[in-house]
Amino acid sequence: GEDVEQSLFLSVREGDSSVINCTYTDSSSTYLYWYKQEPGAGLQLLTYIFSNMDMKQDQRLTVLLNKKDKHLSLRIADTQTGDSAIYFCAESENRDDKIIFGKGTRLHILP
Amino acid sequence: GAVVSQHPSRVICKSGTSVKIECRSLDFQATTMFWYRQFPKQSLMLMATSNEGSKATYEQGVEKDKFLINHASLTLSTLTVTSAHPEDSSFYICSAWSQGKVIEAFFGQGTRLTVV
Repeated sequence: GEDVEQSLFLSVREGDSSVINCTYTDSSSTYLYWYKQEPGAGLQLLTYIFSNMDMKQDQRLTVLLNKKDKHLSLRIADTQTGDSAIYFCAESENRDDKIIFGKGTRLHILP
Repeated sequence: GAVVSQHPSRVICKSGTSVKIECRSLDFQATTMFWYRQFPKQSLMLMATSNEGSKATYEQGVEKDKFLINHASLTLSTLTVTSAHPEDSSFYICSAWSQGKVIEAFFGQGTRLTVV
């Protein structure tokens, strides 16, 4: 079945870059996502990438996809205290399809 | 933009009672909605796919008689937790895909259920 794995915790100094990694097993994944969840809040879609893309950049966010290795990463440049949250990697086979989430990576920002 | 609204945001109920959670797509129609459950500091676990006008599709291990899903209209899906027990306490989130060119699944703000 589908499975999405990511490390549970990442600690980064303010101003440095954060890189959160994710692997997935479903070769039929067409859409790959990064969601952000702040304490007590709902999910916020940060960015997504199609499986036929290698990279997508959006301001401080860079997503890299290695489809061969089924590896997805999210880089946050110039990490700020407001970036402290849980980041979920997720995938779906198609639009309108169920979204499968990883366990989430808790990003902690050091002063 | 597309919005998915859940109600209530918090509910406390007694063991043995039933609780209904509503999920509405406010400015678009959704033939399919999804219900997730999130335990503290854990991921979102897909519980079921709610299909308008037909039976919901439940994920393996989810009790369909305990978590009743009704998708009676194109803008409303409801999740009823029947005969609730303390172990049903959790954060329940629904989602629906927007229509049109924007490719995004929108999530409700979640419902915190506490069974005492």
